[in-house]
Amino acid sequence: EAQVTQNPRYLITVTGKKLTVTCSQNMNHEYMSWYRQDPGLGLRQIYYSMNVEVTDKGDVPEGYKVSRKEKRNFPLILESPSPNQTSLYFCASSFFQGSTDTQYFGPGTRLTVL
Amino acid sequence: AQTVTQSQPEMSVQEAETVTLSCTYDTSENNYYLFWYKQPPSRQMILVIRQEAYKQQNATENRFSVNFQKAAKSFSLKISDSQLGDTAMYFCAFMYMNRDDKIIFGKGTRLHILP
Repeated sequence: EAQVTQNPRYLITVTGKKLTVTCSQNMNHEYMSWYRQDPGLGLRQIYYSMNVEVTDKGDVPEGYKVSRKEKRNFPLILESPSPNQTSLYFCASSFFQGSTDTQYFGPGTRLTVL
Repeated sequence: AQTVTQSQPEMSVQEAETVTLSCTYDTSENNYYLFWYKQPPSRQMILVIRQEAYKQQNATENRFSVNFQKAAKSFSLKISDSQLGDTAMYFCAFMYMNRDDKIIFGKGTRLHILP
């Protein structure tokens, strides 16, 4: 089954404790992206990657890091989480930017930073 | 399980015309949100319109309006006086109201506005 998986689905942590949210897709997609969803603000793009070892900042990259060492994986790293990073996070993938192919979304990760 | 279905993978209309994008969903819940997102080639996700399920009145934002039929579980987006800048992928999405831990997206409709 074609899918995007994220782990963990729920995470409560404390300020400053490094964490990683994993994202994996099994569709051989080149393009992967991270978004955060906040009430009233819709989805905002954090980082994206057009292929292995190619990453770029989205609209709200501050406080986040990503890596793309393999095509299927695109982890989101919070080196020193802060309460304003409490949000719902989505990973997504598609064949390549600007294509007519639809983007597939993961199930979301609810992060709470105390 | 909740599902969101967008039955039109791709549509094209002439500039200035009105276009309607369809979305149906399946849920046994009574309280939820529905969204339409626009995604241009830049891959930003722009919130176009949001509807609370308990509200009878259809949401409207300038040229964008929805036809929310709760009993039929239908949430279509109407774009009036379409503009070239409306060319994008449009996603319909569903979220629970009291436990916002999950949002379910449809597969999207690619809309082309032709000059």
